[in-house]
Amino acid sequence: DGGITQSPKYLFRKEGQNVTLSCEQNLNHDAMYWYRQDPGQGLRLIYYSQIVNDFQKGDIAEGYSVSREKKESFPLTVTSAQKNPTAFYLCASSMGVGATNEKLFFGSGTQLSVL
Amino acid sequence: SQKIEQNSEALNIQEGKTATLTCNYTNYSPAYLQWYRQDPGRGPVFLLLIRENEKEKRKERLKVTFDTTLKQSLFHITASQPADSATYLCALDPSTGFQKLVFGTGTRLLVSP
Repeated sequence: DGGITQSPKYLFRKEGQNVTLSCEQNLNHDAMYWYRQDPGQGLRLIYYSQIVNDFQKGDIAEGYSVSREKKESFPLTVTSAQKNPTAFYLCASSMGVGATNEKLFFGSGTQLSVL
Repeated sequence: SQKIEQNSEALNIQEGKTATLTCNYTNYSPAYLQWYRQDPGRGPVFLLLIRENEKEKRKERLKVTFDTTLKQSLFHITASQPADSATYLCALDPSTGFQKLVFGTGTRLLVSP
């Protein structure tokens, strides 16, 4: 089945620790995104990538880093600089620039909590 | 400032009735608007897309309207069922050159048997 796989489902971070959230897609999509969801707030864009080996900051990139070495993979690292990391993290993909129907396909999310 | 707003209060309706959810936006000129469904602990799932030159779009029991003058989209579910209970998110394309959707906070719909 085609789709987006996020892992792990639940993740706990200790003070001063970096953690990495995995996102893999087999939809052959060019564009990938990371969103953060907090209770009572809309999804906020952290980083996005239009193509392999390229990515841009979204609205709340501070304290996060990403890489896009392969088309199907877009891991997100939550660094120790992110002081309020507790949230539900969603990875998404879309066909990319030039497509006429730019709906997003989402993974099932990772809930990150601080110990 | 730019805002996209959905009613934060849950909408409670009885099975069989029509549910109507509202999405209002300010200081955007979106080329299109999308609606997603999100179940607890899951990622959103795309439902419908409506473009700025379309007034109405339908898919089975779902209907979306888009009024660029009022800066509002309405999302209707007819003959609602308990299985329709979920949070519904609207999202718009701010037309910044590359699709970076801006999402509303969502409205939770509860359909009682």
